[in-house]
Amino acid sequence: ELKVEQNPLFLSMQEGKNYTIYCNYSTTSDRLYWYRQDPGKSLESLFVLLSNGAVKQEGRLMASLDTKARLSTLHITAAVHDLSATYFCAVDMIEGSQGNLIFGKGTKLSVKP
Amino acid sequence: KAGVTQTPRYLIKTRGQQVTLSCSPISGHRSVSWYQQTPGQGLQFLFEYFSETQRNKGNFPGRFSGRQFSNSRSEMNVSTLELGDSALYLCASSEGLRGSLTDTQYFGPGTRLTVL
Repeated sequence: ELKVEQNPLFLSMQEGKNYTIYCNYSTTSDRLYWYRQDPGKSLESLFVLLSNGAVKQEGRLMASLDTKARLSTLHITAAVHDLSATYFCAVDMIEGSQGNLIFGKGTKLSVKP
Repeated sequence: KAGVTQTPRYLIKTRGQQVTLSCSPISGHRSVSWYQQTPGQGLQFLFEYFSETQRNKGNFPGRFSGRQFSNSRSEMNVSTLELGDSALYLCASSEGLRGSLTDTQYFGPGTRLTVL
């Protein structure tokens, strides 16, 4: 059974600081997704990582995937209050002819001035 | 372009009833996926439809079913509702199937289902 673990689950940061959220998963997969959810809102797709070594960047967020280590990171550079949200990673798992998508529990990020 | 729309936005049902939720994707998008979000289980993937065929599926019992129409609109049905089915149900659309180069998903606002 595929397990997806995010850490930390809660993160309080000061504006201007850098930090990294980690997403570990337990079985082989080479597709990983990052999402953002604001309180009381729907999900927003952030990054799609489709191969080992993939790196994507958007503004102050950068995501990478190491399929050999079964690890993805979401790096936050010079955090600003607007980045406060919950971030989820999700890993694609092929079961037979169809694929499941397993989510981590989410990392609740709070950026304080 | 209009975004992904879901109807209804809120729904209250009682145990044993059945419910149908609807999702209209962004124009031109052929893939629709459904997700369940609860405080206890978190986010879980239900299924993905592409060109009217179920292509991917999560670990949910057969009470949860879906379909997609020729215009890409999708419905999700839950039969014999249980208290644990109370959740936010999200749908997302994308141009291509998950894992393709055009699989960036756009989410609807969700349907909040309460089962009493």
